[in-house]
Amino acid sequence: DAKTTQPPSMDCAEGRAANLPCNHSTISGNEYVYWYRQIHSQGPQYIIHGLKNNETNEMASLIITEDRKSSTLILPHATLRDTAVYYCIVRPALYNQGGKLIFGQGTELSVKP
Amino acid sequence: DAGVTQSPTHLIKTRGQQVTLRCSPKSGHDTVSWYQQALGQGPQFIFQYYEEEERQRGNFPDRFSGHQFPNYSSELNVNALLLGDSALYLCASSLARQGNSPLHFGNGTRLTVT
Repeated sequence: DAKTTQPPSMDCAEGRAANLPCNHSTISGNEYVYWYRQIHSQGPQYIIHGLKNNETNEMASLIITEDRKSSTLILPHATLRDTAVYYCIVRPALYNQGGKLIFGQGTELSVKP
Repeated sequence: DAGVTQSPTHLIKTRGQQVTLRCSPKSGHDTVSWYQQALGQGPQFIFQYYEEEERQRGNFPDRFSGHQFPNYSSELNVNALLLGDSALYLCASSLARQGNSPLHFGNGTRLTVT
């Protein structure tokens, strides 16, 4: 079973920030939080990951609460091309054991004009 | 910088047949994982290969087997195909020595079993 809980769907207006929440209350100390997205008929695309500090890259920002039990992925200026299913995944940082990702149902984000 | 490539992109097989899917990892990566994604579901982990050996396996029957070659590319073999094996098969690659190396996915092979 997935170790994360996400809302099944969300809407966002084009040009506005999209804030996608994720609950991971049973996360362990050595587990990272990863975000992927999957556009219809394509493979999952890596977005960002973090351990306990907030992270930002060219695609998004990741905000992790101090107790690490939840996080939020922020797409600062959503475009129609950001419409996709977004998956929040926790994964241990172990040598040669990182091939297994447990995907939940994800959040289907619809960006509307 | 080539990403993960998979072939073929689409495949139609008959129940009972065998199929082989192929994957080339992202340049610089040495670990390959395979996933099955049924329609409307999230991907499910099949197994992971590193140093030409299966290192981790998900809850899939022995009909699913794999291989990794010295150049790190990989094959997924499925024997005695069932209608329920129809799915998108995804390959992902990563770097073993970096425990938090993100997995990078290909766009998959769409397998239809009739």
